[in-house]
Amino acid sequence: GAVVSQHPSRVICKSGTSVKIECRSLDFQATTMFWYRQFPKQSLMLMATSNEGSKATYEQGVEKDKFLINHASLTLSTLTVTSAHPEDSSFYICSARQPSGGIHNEQFFGPGTRLTVL
Amino acid sequence: AQKITQTQPGMFVQEKEAVTLDCTYDTSDPSYGLFWYKQPSSGEMIFLIYQGSYDQQNATEGRYSLNFQKARKSANLVISASQLGDSAMYFCAMTLNQAGTALIFGKGTTLSVSS
Repeated sequence: GAVVSQHPSRVICKSGTSVKIECRSLDFQATTMFWYRQFPKQSLMLMATSNEGSKATYEQGVEKDKFLINHASLTLSTLTVTSAHPEDSSFYICSARQPSGGIHNEQFFGPGTRLTVL
Repeated sequence: AQKITQTQPGMFVQEKEAVTLDCTYDTSDPSYGLFWYKQPSSGEMIFLIYQGSYDQQNATEGRYSLNFQKARKSANLVISASQLGDSAMYFCAMTLNQAGTALIFGKGTTLSVSS
């Protein structure tokens, strides 16, 4: 299957700083990428849908000014957590869907980024 | 809106036994896909099996099979001959067959396999 990478895999930062997470589709072009957040022992919650060349669509309750998403190319989407606070500590996972839907409309997941805000 | 329900927070099974993880879904759209993912403690999402809403046959992938009952809107995962390495969190998810739609996940079931 297709490969999606995420960087960094783990980051620890101080409260008030900003953190950028990169999501790359390595062997296919992804017009749409998705960002999920997962708290310990909970499900993946969709944060936003990232569309190449246009503004991201945020889910209800997700602050777009806090979680900045940029999808500047067909292979890269970035999530920036601005002015991070301890409650932003979580596991962030991106996924990408091939333009044609791929086999069975499968989405390919990155390995995730574990963010800890001190 | 779509919704996925997994009612089993935790399941316990012994090695070599079969186990069924429950999943029900809700959507008014006739064209959709159902997925099961495994998430070990490392956090990676491992795709297990897929069922399309128009598929006539239940999906099977090795030791995994999906018991698709469309009228009941259920898509239970059956793992045969459980192995210790099957211990993980399992998520049922669905997406509409439209470009740009995300996967919506259930709350998950933690499976523990003992020897």
